Amino acid sequence: QVQLQQWGAGLLKPSETLSLTCAVYGGSFSGYSWNWIRQPPGKGLEWIGEINHSGITNSNPSLKSRVTMSVDTSKNQFSLNLTSVTAADTAMYYCARALTVRRMLRGVLTRQGRFDPWGQGTLVTVSS
Amino acid sequence: QSVLTQPPSVSGAPGQRVTISCTGTSSNIGAGYDVHWYQQLPGTAPKLLIYEDTNRPSGVPDRFSGSKSGTSASLAITGLQTEDEADYYCQSYDSSLSLWMFGGGTTLTVL
Repeated sequence: QVQLQQWGAGLLKPSETLSLTCAVYGGSFSGYSWNWIRQPPGKGLEWIGEINHSGITNSNPSLKSRVTMSVDTSKNQFSLNLTSVTAADTAMYYCARALTVRRMLRGVLTRQGRFDPWGQGTLVTVSS
Repeated sequence: QSVLTQPPSVSGAPGQRVTISCTGTSSNIGAGYDVHWYQQLPGTAPKLLIYEDTNRPSGVPDRFSGSKSGTSASLAITGLQTEDEADYYCQSYDSSLSLWMFGGGTTLTVL
């Protein structure tokens, strides 16, 4: 049973950098993508980005300029850095494994994925 | 505002059946991308409930079922129980925006 455990600073000032780490226990680290998803208080879910075991990343275009992700395969851990935070970045941040498949759709090879399991979440508050 | 549209809330009495819709466009659900559903109980992380439109992960009761047609998908819950009170989110991929995305979420209240 794969479990994800995450940690990081919970209170930041505007313009600081958010840093979170997620450790993967009980399963393979390769062959999946490792994701960050956030949820502002009382609101819905927003996908931030993903990284695979080789360090290849993909990010939400709306956050791409501020997002850096890294992976430490020796520890089965991956990390998120989000720079220049503002109050709008206040949210619960989750790490999650993505199970992906490649499938032809109307002659186009697509990559589809679902998130399972999720970490427990880290509440990050940005306030001066 | 999410590209995947869900009703903000639905409700039903114990034992009844409810459905939650997820309406997309031709660049996501309508293009054939899989739809997945998550259940988020109060104060907890989301949990995968339905994957690839209709499939239940091991341990999910068969009271939960998913379907998809055209640009929309639906989650049905039969035999409502009080422990089903939660937020439910659909998720798919959007090819024009190039990102995985979630619906805005639906709060289920069991009356």
